[in-house]
Amino acid sequence: NAGVTQTPKFQVLKTGQSMTLQCAQDMNHEYMSWYRQDPGMGLRLIHYSVGAGITDQGEVPNGYNVSRSTTEDFPLRLLSAAPSQTSVYFCASQNSGGKQETQYFGPGTRLLVL
Amino acid sequence: DQQVKQNSPSLSVQEGRISILNCDYTNSMFDYFLWYKKYPAEGPTFLISISSIKDKNEDGRFTVFLNKSAKHLSLHIVPSQPGDSAVYFCAASDSNYQLIWGAGTKLIIKP
Repeated sequence: NAGVTQTPKFQVLKTGQSMTLQCAQDMNHEYMSWYRQDPGMGLRLIHYSVGAGITDQGEVPNGYNVSRSTTEDFPLRLLSAAPSQTSVYFCASQNSGGKQETQYFGPGTRLLVL
Repeated sequence: DQQVKQNSPSLSVQEGRISILNCDYTNSMFDYFLWYKKYPAEGPTFLISISSIKDKNEDGRFTVFLNKSAKHLSLHIVPSQPGDSAVYFCAASDSNYQLIWGAGTKLIIKP
């Protein structure tokens, strides 16, 4: 199993550009999430999905879109990048919604918006 | 308003000694707490958890203690090993799916 994979590892964007961060998992997990991590702060939830076709907003959803057409993939779209979106983005998956279920994280995508 | 706080950005401990990482929370509705470990250029990995109905949970060299009255939890690593050098995140959950994360503590184990 590859676990949770994310591409790209690093990306530089100009303000106003759009892009999609890819996330895939091969563990047949129902739940998937996107977090961002900023210096001096904990991970903050952007969007999450409880299954294919179902998504919901987390703590900091503005400026981001998600979709979940398959169980395996959960892409995160930046519609019009802003410098405030410079961050490290982590995708995670877990088997179900129970809080005792372990989340498995991808290696992260480091995004720099100029 | 940070609901989960890790007040020590970094901690340096001699190899073989005990490492104690602390975490404070403000929301009394949190009923499940987790510790994750993160190496550079990798995602966080689950380490240990504790439910609010317990005050201690142990897994090998790792023990988490929960003091609900003080809204405080701590992670003890005994004995500390060089491979334990990493950033440790505390996270908390209430009845919702979402986890609230602390800012992390960078643990450095000195040989």
